[in-house]
Formats: sequence, structure tokens, C-alpha cells
Amino acid sequence: DAGVIQSPRHEVTEMGQEVTLRCKPISGHDYLFWYRQTMMRGLELLIYFNNNVPIDDSGMPEDRFSAKMPNASFSTLKIQPSEPRDSAVYFCASSEGSGAATEAFFGQGTRLTVV
Amino acid sequence: AQSVAQPEDQVNVAEGNPLTVKCTYSVSGNPYLFWYVQYPNRGLQFLLKYITGDNLVKGSYGFEAEFNKSQTSFHLKKPSALVSDSALYFCAVRVYNRDDKIIFGKGTRLHILP
Repeated sequence: DAGVIQSPRHEVTEMGQEVTLRCKPISGHDYLFWYRQTMMRGLELLIYFNNNVPIDDSGMPEDRFSAKMPNASFSTLKIQPSEPRDSAVYFCASSEGSGAATEAFFGQGTRLTVV
Repeated sequence: AQSVAQPEDQVNVAEGNPLTVKCTYSVSGNPYLFWYVQYPNRGLQFLLKYITGDNLVKGSYGFEAEFNKSQTSFHLKKPSALVSDSALYFCAVRVYNRDDKIIFGKGTRLHILP
């Protein structure tokens, strides 16, 4: 397996524009996580899915953020409208569902810059 | 609510010396604990995990970690540091049969001085 695949690797957009980040988890993994990494706040859990169903979205900062997982092999994180304070590295991770003892595997991240 | 604390933002160690990166946690229930490493412009890579059993777990690149239930700690260690160990290290916790989410500490930057 090629691992968790995220696209794009880098995104530069203007304030107010819609941004969509994409993630393909490892095949067979039941859990998918979206994290945001900034210098100030470290690695924050935004939302996670189990078997394509959102379980906890309490980390989503505002209604401008939304995430979907239409099938087991694809998820999106959308920001609309984007703001400069959304600039960060966004990571997607996936893990197996055989209990919580399994580690998560991370993608390379998407570096988002909102100007 | 579960949480992870990494009390040191940065740790400096001379090459060849032993290193320790500290982690403490707070959970309701039995924790599963993980260490990850992040190199510049890369995603997080899994190093090792504690599930149950022996309190000393061994992982990749010669790293090991010691689980201490009474002190709610899971410190990362290595007997002899290499310059190539310089990176950002994250501790994480997951609680079985709760909400299964994985919570990370803020990270500790490890500098190995040649």
C-alpha cells in the first residue's frame, strides 16, 4: 500500500476563497482522522470518522470547516470561506479498527497558506 | 477528558549521551500510548507503542519507552543519541472502548549536538 495520500501538498489561496483538502486512507483502515498543526497550538484533532461515519467533530474550529467521507477510500476537509488564521499544515491519518491498540498512519500533510 | 502533556518544548543532548523526552497523560480508563517522530516537512512516523504487559517497550531506531502507571508517564529514551535523531517528537494517547480518538501532546523538539 502507498500509505495515506493527501492532496494537494501545498495550497496558497486568497482570503474568502473555498479550499478543499483531500485524503485517501490506507485500504482496510476503519478510522480516519483530520489534524491541524500550528506552531502555537501543536497538533489538534479536528474530526474523526469510523466506518465513514463522523464520530467526533468537536475540534472543528468553526462552521466554516466541514468534512465528509463519502466512501471508505476518500475524505475531504473543506474551508469556506478561508481566512489567514486557517494557515497551517493539515494532516490526515488512518488506523485499523481492531480495537484502540492500533497506531495511526499519517499522510505527508497539506500546507495551507491563506493570504 | 483525556490529555497528554510534554513539559519540555526543547531538549538538547550531546551526541553519544543518553536522551529522555518526557510525557505524562491523563485518561479515564486504560490508556494506549504512542510515540511519533516528525522530520521537517514530513508527516508523523510511528516509533513505538505501549498496549499491555512489559512496561519497557522497544521501537524503531533504537528508541524505547517506559510506562509508569503510578506516575502516569511514558517517557521516551535512547541510550546513545545520534545527530540524526534531531526532530520533533510527539506523545499520544488512545483509550479503548471510549471514543477511540487519538490525542497528541504539543511536541518536544530534540536537538542532538555534535
